[in-house]
Amino acid sequence: EAQVTQNPRYLITVTGKKLTVTCSQNMNHEYMSWYRQDPGLGLRQIYYSMNVEVTDKGDVPEGYKVSRKEKRNFPLILESPSPNQTSLYFCASSSWTGYEQYFGPGTRLTVT
Amino acid sequence: AQSVTQPDIHITVSEGASLELRCNYSYGATPYLFWYVQSPGQGLQLLLKYFSGDTLVQGIKGFEAEFKRSQSSFNLRKPSVHWSDAAEYFCAVGASGTYKYIFGTGTRLKVLA
Repeated sequence: EAQVTQNPRYLITVTGKKLTVTCSQNMNHEYMSWYRQDPGLGLRQIYYSMNVEVTDKGDVPEGYKVSRKEKRNFPLILESPSPNQTSLYFCASSSWTGYEQYFGPGTRLTVT
Repeated sequence: AQSVTQPDIHITVSEGASLELRCNYSYGATPYLFWYVQSPGQGLQLLLKYFSGDTLVQGIKGFEAEFKRSQSSFNLRKPSVHWSDAAEYFCAVGASGTYKYIFGTGTRLKVLA
């Protein structure tokens, strides 16, 4: 089954404790992206990757890091989480032919 | 600046009634336009997309949307709403040659039985 998976689905952590949210897709898509969703703000793009070893900032990259060492994986790293990073995070992927994005189920992160 | 506006935060319709969700965009390049639906506790699912050609596009679940370049709009419509359509709907814009997507803030649809 074609899908985007994220882990963990739920995470509660404390300020300053480094964490990684994993994202993996099995569709051989070139493009992958991370979003955060906050009430009243819709989805805002954090980082995206056009292919292996190629990444760029979206609209809200501060406090986040990413890497793309393999085509299927695109982890999101919060090196020193803060409460304002409490949010619902989505990973997405797409091919260049279709351009529409396929979304993962989301990761709800709470930073206390 | 590039932007997507969904002016209606909440919309309530009765089951069987028609539906129109509004989306306006501001984008310098030729836009690719999308509508996604998010059911409670779920990820986003693509309803339909517009790249070029016929300005009226058909999607899944009986939805359609019309691209109007002169009005910078891409409104989503459905002739008869079902209770299962209750969800949040997002309009999004992308463009060939760029790698960024911009999403609207969403419209939450409530369906009355």
